[in-house]
Amino acid sequence: EVHLVESGGGLVQPGGSLRLSCVASGFTFSTSNMNWVRQAPGKGLEWLSYISGSSNFIYSADSLKGRFTISRDNAKNSLYLQMNSLRAEDTAVYYCARDPPDIWGQGTMVTVSS
Amino acid sequence: QAVLTQPSSLSASPGASASLTCTLRSDINVGNYRIYWYQQKSGRPPQYLLRYNSDSDKQQGSGVPSRFSGSKDASANAGILLISGLQSEDEADYYCLIWHSGAWVFGGGTKLTVL
Repeated sequence: EVHLVESGGGLVQPGGSLRLSCVASGFTFSTSNMNWVRQAPGKGLEWLSYISGSSNFIYSADSLKGRFTISRDNAKNSLYLQMNSLRAEDTAVYYCARDPPDIWGQGTMVTVSS
Repeated sequence: QAVLTQPSSLSASPGASASLTCTLRSDINVGNYRIYWYQQKSGRPPQYLLRYNSDSDKQQGSGVPSRFSGSKDASANAGILLISGLQSEDEADYYCLIWHSGAWVFGGGTKLTVL
């Protein structure tokens, strides 16, 4: 069965950092392109970043202004999102999704608050 | 102007059909894009429904009933998700998605009420 499981969310102070992880199973992760998508409370979906299977291609939303970095470790079937300089408006559920977005994880909640 | 525009809400009756639109910004042509559709129920992650580009280039999500279908209206520059035989369980938020200029772009979503 195809599965994506995110972790690493939690409460962080403004200006802080957090690293999210997503572990994949049930499909060939190393040849799958992956994405991070978030959803603020009561709001719509917002795409954040894409990484190709070999990490050769990375695309990110302009709105992030370089604060977030996507990466992966194919040996561990894992996808990561390093989030720096966090702001209150980054409070959201963060999802990883296989590309094109067909399989989604359950999400991990990030709350940025003092 | 947003790249993708969806009506914020839509209501329909059980058993009826609902047509959800996703209008592309006027400077981009719907004919050049694959349009993806998602269903999201409260407190759950989005579920992939289908992809539609043309009748010869379309894909139904795994396990998604055939009463969910996609199409395009070139005159309106829009993608359409048609849900036939509406059921109460279809009440959810629906999002469209395209790949545009090196980024995935979501529409703002339509809240479908079945009553």
